[in-house]
Amino acid sequence: EVQLVESGGGLVQPGGSLRLSCAASGFTFSSYNMNWVRQAPGKGLDWVSYISSSSSTIYYADSVKGRFTISRDNAKNSLYLQMSSLRDEDTAVYYCTRAGVAREFDYWGQGTLVTVSS
Amino acid sequence: EIALTQSPATLSLSPGERGTLSCRASQSVSSYLAWYQQKPGQAPRLLIYDASNRATGIPARFSGSGSGTDFTLTISSLEPEDFAVYYCQQRRNWPPTFGQGTKVDI
Repeated sequence: EVQLVESGGGLVQPGGSLRLSCAASGFTFSSYNMNWVRQAPGKGLDWVSYISSSSSTIYYADSVKGRFTISRDNAKNSLYLQMSSLRDEDTAVYYCTRAGVAREFDYWGQGTLVTVSS
Repeated sequence: EIALTQSPATLSLSPGERGTLSCRASQSVSSYLAWYQQKPGQAPRLLIYDASNRATGIPARFSGSGSGTDFTLTISSLEPEDFAVYYCQQRRNWPPTFGQGTKVDI
């Protein structure tokens, strides 16, 4: 069974930093591209970042470019999102998602809540 | 960036009825469109990918159609567990984008 379990969310002040982690199991993590998708409270879904299976290709949404860094450790079956210079508008539930064969988001974690507030 | 517009915003139906949800893209996305279902307090779940392919374990009452700029998600006969928010998403161009969602309620 595919499982994605996020951790690392919490309350942080504007301008602060946070590192999210996603532990993957139930599939060959090193063979799959991965993404982070977020959802502000009561709002819709926003793609944040993408990383290929070998980390050779990385993309970011314009809203987080230069502030967020996606990475992965295939030996540890883990995905990460380092977030810095956090803003109020970064407040959201952050989901770790697997990219399927058609680059759809085929599996999602339960999400971790990041709250940016003073 | 490709914008996706979903309609209606809210669809009020009864169990057993047919539900038809629409998604329109600001430019052609070919068939590179997916649909997701999200229930309160839960993560989204993939229903349909590449416009018409059901994801693993998705019941046959869910079907997708369309290409280019106009797409439809059809729920042939609503079950109580189908009342949720539905999102469309395109992968034709980076960045991948989502529609604003259609809420299907009783």
